[in-house]
Amino acid sequence: DTEVTQTPKHLVMGMTNKKSLKCEQHMGHRAMYWYKQKAKKPPELMFVYSYEKLSINESVPSRFSPECPNSSLLNLHLHALQPEDSALYLCASRHTEIMGDEAFFGQGTRLTVV
Amino acid sequence: GQQLNQSPQSMFIQEGEDVSMNCTSSSIFNTWLWYKQDPGEGPVLLIALYKAGELTSNGRLTAQFGITRKDSFLNISASIPSDVGIYFCAGQAIQGAQKLVFGQGTRLTINP
Repeated sequence: DTEVTQTPKHLVMGMTNKKSLKCEQHMGHRAMYWYKQKAKKPPELMFVYSYEKLSINESVPSRFSPECPNSSLLNLHLHALQPEDSALYLCASRHTEIMGDEAFFGQGTRLTVV
Repeated sequence: GQQLNQSPQSMFIQEGEDVSMNCTSSSIFNTWLWYKQDPGEGPVLLIALYKAGELTSNGRLTAQFGITRKDSFLNISASIPSDVGIYFCAGQAIQGAQKLVFGQGTRLTINP
């Protein structure tokens, strides 16, 4: 099983809303990632969790708040977003952050901020 | 920062033709990955390369890890309509091993 499951697949939210994106994997991977992808662009790294601890924050605005409740789950809490935050949000996981491991991606959540 | 230069940016070919795309970097990478992404979906891993000079195949796909560790190519033979999509190379360096750096992507369009 090389599946990373993301929910919801689509999300429309207002600028005053609070919502959460969820990511789940059962491959025993201990490194989990959030990426943001705008149309016709490559994925951009946002956050990295290693062994349930935040190890990298790529200077992401605080209106994005990640959480890793356990080794299988990764959340991204959203609050007071801007229309320019509309994008495809991708979750990925790997065995560890050490080199030599393949990263597997979920199908993404298409977020639209209105 | 680390950057990957992927080319070409787009390709328009006839069904049955072979395809070649490549990625280069000014810095050394120790892992090269090739992904395919369909519209509205997440990237799907096609081939992973871990050793300089390594040549790996996956069906009609062949990828190589450049001997200098600064480049990689992906070839697709006898293209079919389902090969349409965006192909990304991604690399991982020793420094910043947690990060996966992506190329800008190659958009493949196939005329039947």
